[in-house]
Amino acid sequence: NAGVTQTPKFQVLKTGQSMTLQCAQDMNHNSMYWYRQDPGMGLRLIYYSASEGTTDKGEVPNGYNVSRLNKREFSLRLESAAPSQTSVYFCATEQGAFYSNQPQHFGDGTRLSIL
Amino acid sequence: AQKVTQAQTEISVVEKEDVTLDCVYETRDTTYYLFWYKQPPSGELVFLIRRNSFDEQNEISGRYSWNFQKSTSSFNFTITASQVVDSAVYFCALSEAGSSNTGKLIFGQGTTLQVKP
Repeated sequence: NAGVTQTPKFQVLKTGQSMTLQCAQDMNHNSMYWYRQDPGMGLRLIYYSASEGTTDKGEVPNGYNVSRLNKREFSLRLESAAPSQTSVYFCATEQGAFYSNQPQHFGDGTRLSIL
Repeated sequence: AQKVTQAQTEISVVEKEDVTLDCVYETRDTTYYLFWYKQPPSGELVFLIRRNSFDEQNEISGRYSWNFQKSTSSFNFTITASQVVDSAVYFCALSEAGSSNTGKLIFGQGTTLQVKP
């Protein structure tokens, strides 16, 4: 029972390169989220998907795109990586039932460095 | 606007000391949820507690306890008789229920707790 799986775990990119971070869940949750974690700033929401077929911007969406491929998968794409996007990225899921706000379940994170 | 403030950036204690981590939040919603997560040195995020805005009862779980006070918009976390394994970054987070109810979390900056032997 994997829960929330993120790939890759580590990645080094050069400025201007593109890449996609993958997230898959086997919890049958409706809602999925992408956060970034930077020192001293906690976790900040990049994009989220409240249900299959919908995506919305979070607090820091610039430079990113997302795709909710199906109920299980939610990917985050950096089209042209910048050093400011060096961070640890976390994918999370939540049950998504109305007025529920259950605890979110997090993947192990992707540590991304952009040179 | 929603906001969570953890004013203590780093706390260092000696094993067996009690320690309280502070969390102050701001929200306009009347229905909301508060959470604490632990991030040990291995990096994963571990859920500790969820509280809704209508339940102000304090909660105790083993050495952990939480004090929720709506009057001061605070949700503080106390570890009694701290242990080295408690060393981690602790995050307080807010989720508004509201009409949109997207479940998204607003995190505080985190408090790094170091427990020395």
